[in-house]
Amino acid sequence: GQNIDQPTEMTATEGAIVQINCTYQTSGFNGLFWYQQHAGEAPTFLSYNVLDGLEEKGRFSSFLSRSKGYSYLLLKELQMKDSASYLCAAMDSNYQLIWGAGTKLIIKP
Amino acid sequence: GAVVSQHPSRVICKSGTSVKIECRSLDFQATTMFWYRQFPKQSLMLMATSNEGSKATYEQGVEKDKFLINHASLTLSTLTVTSAHPEDSSFYICSARTLDGNGYTFGSGTRLTVV
Repeated sequence: GQNIDQPTEMTATEGAIVQINCTYQTSGFNGLFWYQQHAGEAPTFLSYNVLDGLEEKGRFSSFLSRSKGYSYLLLKELQMKDSASYLCAAMDSNYQLIWGAGTKLIIKP
Repeated sequence: GAVVSQHPSRVICKSGTSVKIECRSLDFQATTMFWYRQFPKQSLMLMATSNEGSKATYEQGVEKDKFLINHASLTLSTLTVTSAHPEDSSFYICSARTLDGNGYTFGSGTRLTVV
């Protein structure tokens, strides 16, 4: 079956670095997405990886290893506004998104 | 960038009535629109995929007669929740693929409360 695993909740300190891991199993693979979702709002696109390696975009970076079925989202210089849920989603061979349940990130001063 | 406008953002309706949610692609043509539902503290669940000019494809367990999807033009897709019940109360979000094909752009979501 198809499955996405990511931690339910993480806590980090303002100004620090946090890594949110995601493992996936899908029927075929057409890329891995990371989205940020604040409570009560729609998700916003953060990153897309289809090739192995690290993609850096400002304070956020995303890594993919296709052979391991593994990705992580790295957030640097954490700010209070980064408190949100982070959703990992893998696209299968039918171009359907398989969503993880999301990781709630709590930032403490 | 690609923008999807979704309306209404919030709606409260009485049990048994119908509610229509609209999603418009403002600066691009969305041949395919995805409709998601999110219950509290759960992830997004794909309900159906609509393609312009053809019938929508529904995910297993989603009642197509209850959740009517119309994608009559390349810029407008609608989801109608018919005979709504309190258990239909949820967050509904539409999504279309971005112009560069590397991501998805989402509508702002509709919070439906059925009383």
